[in-house]
Amino acid sequence: AQSVTQPDIHITVSEGASLELRCNYSYGATPYLFWYVQSPGQGLQLLLKYFSGDTLVQGIKGFEAEFKRSQSSFNLRKPSVHWSDAAEYFCAVGPPGTYKYIFGTGTRLKVLA
Amino acid sequence: KAGVTQTPRYLIKTRGQQVTLSCSPISGHRSVSWYQQTPGQGLQFLFEYFSETQRNKGNFPGRFSGRQFSNSRSEMNVSTLELGDSALYLCASSLGQDTDTQYFGPGTRLTVL
Repeated sequence: AQSVTQPDIHITVSEGASLELRCNYSYGATPYLFWYVQSPGQGLQLLLKYFSGDTLVQGIKGFEAEFKRSQSSFNLRKPSVHWSDAAEYFCAVGPPGTYKYIFGTGTRLKVLA
Repeated sequence: KAGVTQTPRYLIKTRGQQVTLSCSPISGHRSVSWYQQTPGQGLQFLFEYFSETQRNKGNFPGRFSGRQFSNSRSEMNVSTLELGDSALYLCASSLGQDTDTQYFGPGTRLTVL
């Protein structure tokens, strides 16, 4: 069955520290991969996406993600976290050709001043 | 350019009633997708409309239906509401190609009493 796993429900980091959010997926072929961020009371905002090609993807707000086919992972990273990054982060996979995305359960990020 | 708008933002209904939610996509976007977000099930794809036709459908009962108008605005209807339908309903719009970014609205918070 197709699924997305975000093993960390909550993560707390200090401002200025580095961040890595984990995402593993189960899918028959290589899907499209996404990271979204959701702030309280807001919809989702796309941080970055991977379709093919270079496995290191740069996104907005200084985020990057690396696709590792052998590990079925698409982890999100940021070298230095800002207080404004506190939010919930969702990893998603999408079958090429549709918007029928499968989302992970999310990781809530807390940033300590 | 105005973003995706959803109306109403909040809604309270009782069991057995029906409800209609509205989504206005970004100007020029022809695809509208709907998602349900709950604490227990997370984000789940409901359906996608493109040029007034349902192009993809998730695994929801027939009580959940939608439509899209010629101006790309979309409505989602839930009949015979159940307590479990309480959720944040998000819509997202895009130009329509699977590699196009989906832009999410702020959502409609539906509470069923």
